[in-house]
Amino acid sequence: KAGVTQTPRYLIKTRGQQVTLSCSPISGHRSVSWYQQTPGQGLQFLFEYFSETQRNKGNFPGRFSGRQFSNSRSEMNVSTLELGDSALYLCASSLGLAGEAGYEQYFGPGTRLTVT
Amino acid sequence: DQQVKQNSPSLSVQEGRISILNCDYTNSMFDYFLWYKKYPAEGPTFLISISSIKDKNEDGRFTVFLNKSAKHLSLHIVPSQPGDSAVYFCAAKGGTSYGKLTFGQGTILTVHP
Repeated sequence: KAGVTQTPRYLIKTRGQQVTLSCSPISGHRSVSWYQQTPGQGLQFLFEYFSETQRNKGNFPGRFSGRQFSNSRSEMNVSTLELGDSALYLCASSLGLAGEAGYEQYFGPGTRLTVT
Repeated sequence: DQQVKQNSPSLSVQEGRISILNCDYTNSMFDYFLWYKKYPAEGPTFLISISSIKDKNEDGRFTVFLNKSAKHLSLHIVPSQPGDSAVYFCAAKGGTSYGKLTFGQGTILTVHP
């Protein structure tokens, strides 16, 4: 069974631009969660999508948005990029809602975003 | 507000000895705890978990202990192997954080041959 895939793996953007990251979950998984990893901050939760609906949201500004398609693939968009948005963006998929016991999350390799 | 804290940024251990990674949390509503391991250029991989109704869970060389009164959990790796060298994250979920994992900052474990 293929794992979680994320594209692109690496991205360089300049301040003020916008970016779209893509995540394809494991086949059959309906939940996709997004996390931001920065040095010293660990992984911080962005949002979770389940059956095309945002079910949970972290403490990030409105510049960070996402969506999920009927095939469970998800995209994350960051508008008006800032230098501080440079990070590794990880997505994770699970069979059910991430908060439900037994539904472990499986992570993709991440997209390394550098904002210059 | 860091609800899950891993106060040791790094840990160095000799091969064959025990590695103990610690994690503290502040949210008493957390009811499920997990440990993830992360190698460079890869996403975190699930290692072991524990429900708040238990105080210990074991899986091979890995054991997680939970002390709810102290809001503390630890991961024991015995015996440690060089392949265990990675970043270890503890995570928690439950209560108002239902549906999301709250991660610690991670601890870099280095196991020397």
